Formats: sequence, structure tokens, C-alpha cells
Amino acid sequence: DSGVTQTPKHLITATGQRVTLRCSPRSGDLSVYWYQQSLDQGLQFLIQYYNGEERAKGNILERFSAQQFPDLHSELNLSSLELGDSALYFCASSVQGALSDTQYFGPGTRLTVL
Amino acid sequence: GEDVEQSLFLSVREGDSSVINCTYTDSSSTYLYWYKQEPGAGLQLLTYIFSNMDMKQDQRLTVLLNKKDKHLSLRIADTQTGDSAIYFCAESAGSSNTGKLIFGQGTTLQVKP
Repeated sequence: DSGVTQTPKHLITATGQRVTLRCSPRSGDLSVYWYQQSLDQGLQFLIQYYNGEERAKGNILERFSAQQFPDLHSELNLSSLELGDSALYFCASSVQGALSDTQYFGPGTRLTVL
Repeated sequence: GEDVEQSLFLSVREGDSSVINCTYTDSSSTYLYWYKQEPGAGLQLLTYIFSNMDMKQDQRLTVLLNKKDKHLSLRIADTQTGDSAIYFCAESAGSSNTGKLIFGQGTTLQVKP
């Protein structure tokens, strides 16, 4: 158990809908990261937050947004869902969000868009 | 640009050593990681190495880094059936205060009894 929690574990929804994925970092970690794992794209970095502020952005679609709250938990919002958004979404956390930090991953949320 | 490559599949017999290989392209100082993913599970950190090191050993795991060739390997000694999983090599990328990971495609390790 990495100490990173993600809810829900599974999510099934329809095209065009909007969903919210939630992540709680390890105790003491200030930075959270979101990654998407799909069969065709592999594991891709989406976005990073540090202490409530966006710090780095990767291959995140405009239909997707995220935020980190004062209690340090983070939410990833996916809207206007398409079939291709079906994937495993991972959250990771680290102490300071620095290049040298080790990232610990949560169990993931499996999103299925029908 | 940043890219990490791995072979896709490796099959070994129980008790043999497994060697999983990875190449990366970032030429700056970096941190390199090995993660393990079992079916239906998340990513478990196995070990990591800084780019100024050549080798790191942690129980049955040995990481070797050839900086000149940008080649990283993970050796698992006395491989067990419980080691069957997908192994991901990852490189940290970005500036000093950002830490996104660039992952390889993953190597599926099959351990035959």
C-alpha cells in the first residue's frame, strides 16, 4: 500500500458525460500528479500540482481539468467524454514535486466510456 | 525529445535470472525508476538510480546504468512466479522543481514454473 488513495476504483459512463476522479496523497506529500494509462498511448503524464498550484502540464486535453484543494487532495475532471477516454487514470504523490522526488502511485481509477 | 524504450516481452524459468532492458534519450542529469504493475493493480515502485551512479543493488534486484549508451537494466535474481508482472522503466524529466515521469511501454515478464 503506497498510501495514495483514489476513488472510485471503477467508473462506467456514457459518451458526452462528465466525471470526477478523486485522489488523496500520502500524508506529508505536497505534490500530486495525474497519469493516464491506455492501450494505445501507454502511460502518459497529464498534470502536476504542488501545494494547490499547477506546476507542470503534459498531454492533457482541453476537455480535462484538475485542481488541488487546500487539504491537498486533488480532483481530475473529465468532460464531454469520448470512447477513447477509456483508460486507467493514476494519481501519484511526492514530497516536494521536485525532479529528484520519488513518486508513489495510487491504485488507479478504471474509466470505461460506453 | 524525451523517449524511453523497452522490449515488450520476456519469458524465463523459475529460479533463473531475468534481465529487463531500457534505453532513454534525455541527456541531462536525471533519475531513473523501475515500477512493477501486477494485473489489475497500480504501479509499485521497485527501485531507482541517479544518473551519476553506475549500479545499485537492493536484495534480488540489481540496476545497471550505462550513461554513455543511455541504457538501463533491471536484473531480478532467482526469479519467482510472483515476479510475473509488467515492468516499467521511467525517467524523470523537467526542470528542478517539476517531476513528470516519462515511461517506457512496459516489459511483460512471464515466469514459467
